[in-house]
Amino acid sequence: DAGVIQSPRHEVTEMGQEVTLRCKPISGHDYLFWYRQTMMRGLELLIYFNNNVPIDDSGMPEDRFSAKMPNASFSTLKIQPSEPRDSAVYFCASSSPTGPHYEQYFGPGTRLTVT
Amino acid sequence: GQNIDQPTEMTATEGAIVQINCTYQTSGFNGLFWYQQHAGEAPTFLSYNVLDGLEEKGRFSSFLSRSKGYSYLLLKELQMKDSASYLCAVRHNTDKLIFGTGTRLQVFP
Repeated sequence: DAGVIQSPRHEVTEMGQEVTLRCKPISGHDYLFWYRQTMMRGLELLIYFNNNVPIDDSGMPEDRFSAKMPNASFSTLKIQPSEPRDSAVYFCASSSPTGPHYEQYFGPGTRLTVT
Repeated sequence: GQNIDQPTEMTATEGAIVQINCTYQTSGFNGLFWYQQHAGEAPTFLSYNVLDGLEEKGRFSSFLSRSKGYSYLLLKELQMKDSASYLCAVRHNTDKLIFGTGTRLQVFP
């Protein structure tokens, strides 16, 4: 299995630009999670989906952030407009109820820098 | 509310034993996870506890006391490659994980 795939791995953009992060979960996994990690705040859950439906978006910072999951194999996290304080590593993770502990598998992350 | 506390940094010597503690306050507890994260990489699953007691997996063991809201990760026979951050995370009934800020462990020769 290829694991969770994220793209791009690195993104550098200017303040005010739109940023789209992409994620392909592990095949067969029905949960997908988006996290943001910074030195100050650690790993924070932004939103998660179950069977492509958003379940909890209470961690989304503000209206500038949006996430979609049009099908079981693809999800996007969009920031528009981006701001310097959005600079962080964004992780996507997926999990399956068939796993022994329902543990989450993380993708390699997208390192976002907003200048 | 939810609160997870773990030490920010720890150091240890190669071959030694180290214990990383985690205390939590949360509602709807449905398991506690430990993840390892090397610098610049993604977190990877280490262990899971949902019942009180000790779970052993090779050099790593994890303990849980639900009544005390307490867990620890025990690493034996430390190796240089164990230098990493260790994240404690609590799962809620709603399936989402709440992570602590992590403990950065440095292993010295």
